[in-house]
Amino acid sequence: GIQVEQSPPDLILQEGANSTLRCNFSDSVNNLQWFHQNPWGQLINLFYIPSGTKQNGRLSATTVATERYSLLYISSSQTTDSGVYFCAVEKHGGRTPLVFGKGTRLSVIA
Amino acid sequence: DVKVTQSSRYLVKRTGEKVFLECVQDMDHENMFWYRQDPGLGLRLIYFSYDVKMKEKGDIPEGYSVSREKKERFSLILESASTNQTSMYLCASSPLTSGTARRKLFFGSGTQLSVL
Repeated sequence: GIQVEQSPPDLILQEGANSTLRCNFSDSVNNLQWFHQNPWGQLINLFYIPSGTKQNGRLSATTVATERYSLLYISSSQTTDSGVYFCAVEKHGGRTPLVFGKGTRLSVIA
Repeated sequence: DVKVTQSSRYLVKRTGEKVFLECVQDMDHENMFWYRQDPGLGLRLIYFSYDVKMKEKGDIPEGYSVSREKKERFSLILESASTNQTSMYLCASSPLTSGTARRKLFFGSGTQLSVL
């Protein structure tokens, strides 16, 4: 099946810093989503982004489908950004559920 | 906003008990999913359903079954709970759109199940 690798696995930032999280995938996809899991366990959908670039406030995401990677940018990080960020993909042409990466654990310290 | 509701936030059961985890979504989504999340293993798919009375096995279906009698409700059943089923269980739903593409996935708040 399709493989999804996220990097880095862990990241510690000072409040106000910027960061880039990466998601590599092993096959062409028609669906890619980024999620944030807060410290209480709730998973929130951040972006549906199979290709191109989207922005939502301090967060933005870019997927380069031809090169099989996606990036999540967090600018001016805040302590509330802490948690685990997951990338999930669905293989192109398949009728299969999303496959999740192992996530990047982000800790933003004041 | 889409709401996916899981019946319990925390649950403690005994080994051998039959356990029901309930999930209800209010957005008329066709697709529903059950995942479990364990430290170091990420999210793993147990079962999913694309329509009422339909079910398909995910990556780790052993020891579990599911029921989808109504579109809005997807139940996960542990026939005989075991200690290795102690985990966070997450339900999710998504709409079915044209073609084979699946759109945004929405999660419930999770059920932390402890089997003693």
